[in-house]
Amino acid sequence: AQSVSQHNHHVILSEAASLELGCNYSYGGTVNLFWYVQYPGQHLQLLLKYFSGDPLVKGIKGFEAEFIKSKFSFNLRKPSVQWSDTAEYFCAVNAQGNQGGKLIFGQGTELSVKP
Amino acid sequence: DGGITQSPKYLFRKEGQNVTLSCEQNLNHDAMYWYRQDPGQGLRLIYYSQIVNDFQKGDIAEGYSVSREKKESFPLTVTSAQKNPTAFYLCASSISRFSRGPNQPQHFGDGTRLSIL
Repeated sequence: AQSVSQHNHHVILSEAASLELGCNYSYGGTVNLFWYVQYPGQHLQLLLKYFSGDPLVKGIKGFEAEFIKSKFSFNLRKPSVQWSDTAEYFCAVNAQGNQGGKLIFGQGTELSVKP
Repeated sequence: DGGITQSPKYLFRKEGQNVTLSCEQNLNHDAMYWYRQDPGQGLRLIYYSQIVNDFQKGDIAEGYSVSREKKESFPLTVTSAQKNPTAFYLCASSISRFSRGPNQPQHFGDGTRLSIL
């Protein structure tokens, strides 16, 4: 069965620190990969996605993620975080060609950025 | 302005009571989904529907029921059989499993928080 693992449950950083959130998945076939963000009191929003092509994808608000197929990973990065990045981040995967758009989510990582 | 509307924002259920959570979308999306969010567990799929009058169980369907009589609407009923209903419920939609190209990202509503009285 497919699964997604986010290793960090809660990350605390100071402003301007660099961020890397880990995401690993288990599925042997071709996948689509996503990072979603949920700011306090708001709905989930798509941060970035990977379907094919360049494994380094850039998303909104200065975030990027790198797909490393050999490591089954899709880690999220940002060179310099801001207080407004405080949110919960979810990695998600679906297998290409599976029953239409069904996503498997990781457990989520709560990011707290200290001003 | 297109999007997904979930209502109510907060809902309380008494023991033995069924409650229904509303989800409406005006994005003309074929597929709709219900997820449950619990702390430390991320999102888990309850039910999903690819097309009107059809829906499939997700990973944790027990104690829940859905209907898809209209393309725009995918209500979720939390029945009395669901023994641990306290959670945050998220509805989502995506364009279509039948569209050419990669699977499309899902758009999410603002969620409904369900609590037990």
